[in-house]
Amino acid sequence: AQSVTQPDIHITVSEGASLELRCNYSYGATPYLFWYVQSPGQGLQLLLKYFSGDTLVQGIKGFEAEFKRSQSSFNLRKPSVHWSDAAEYFCAVGAKSGGGADGLTFGKGTHLIIQP
Amino acid sequence: GAGVSQSPRYKVTKRGQDVALRCDPISGHVSLYWYRQALGQGPEFLTYFNYEAQQDKSGLPNDRFSAERPEGSISTLTIQRTEQRDSAMYRCASRLSTGQGGGSPLHFGNGTRLTVT
Repeated sequence: AQSVTQPDIHITVSEGASLELRCNYSYGATPYLFWYVQSPGQGLQLLLKYFSGDTLVQGIKGFEAEFKRSQSSFNLRKPSVHWSDAAEYFCAVGAKSGGGADGLTFGKGTHLIIQP
Repeated sequence: GAGVSQSPRYKVTKRGQDVALRCDPISGHVSLYWYRQALGQGPEFLTYFNYEAQQDKSGLPNDRFSAERPEGSISTLTIQRTEQRDSAMYRCASRLSTGQGGGSPLHFGNGTRLTVT
């Protein structure tokens, strides 16, 4: 079964500084990988996804993530954060088999705090 | 509609009562998923449907939980004889197709916050 680990429960970053949120996954083959963002009172919004091909993927709101097979990681990055980026961020893995529960398995999330 | 719609947004119920949570997926989306999210945790899979067929209910915690999607569109998650430990955010998501397995992204609704007193 697949699993996702987000080692940082909270991250505090100054506005304008760069950001990296860590995500490690466990899966028997090359997975599908996703980052979602959850703002207070809102649903989960997809930031970006990796299916195959180029390991550096671009998403919305200036985010990017890099798939590193050797490290089983899919870290999320942004060069310069804005106060509006304060939210909960979830990494998720999807199975390629299509059988059984082909939904997503989520990590526990990282709460991003932006300092003025 | 434009997105996944869930109702009610908030539900407060007394222990022992039954509750029904509704999900209206994006029009044309084949797959529909139910997740439960406890405070400070990521969403946990409960069950999912392709069209009207329930494909997997392995995530349902016990037999008090059930779900249906009789016409392949709107779905209802029912919790019978609610307990305080059922308090959580219940999220519904839909996906356009089944063909890509886990690769097609899920579109989530805003959730129903259930509080059992």
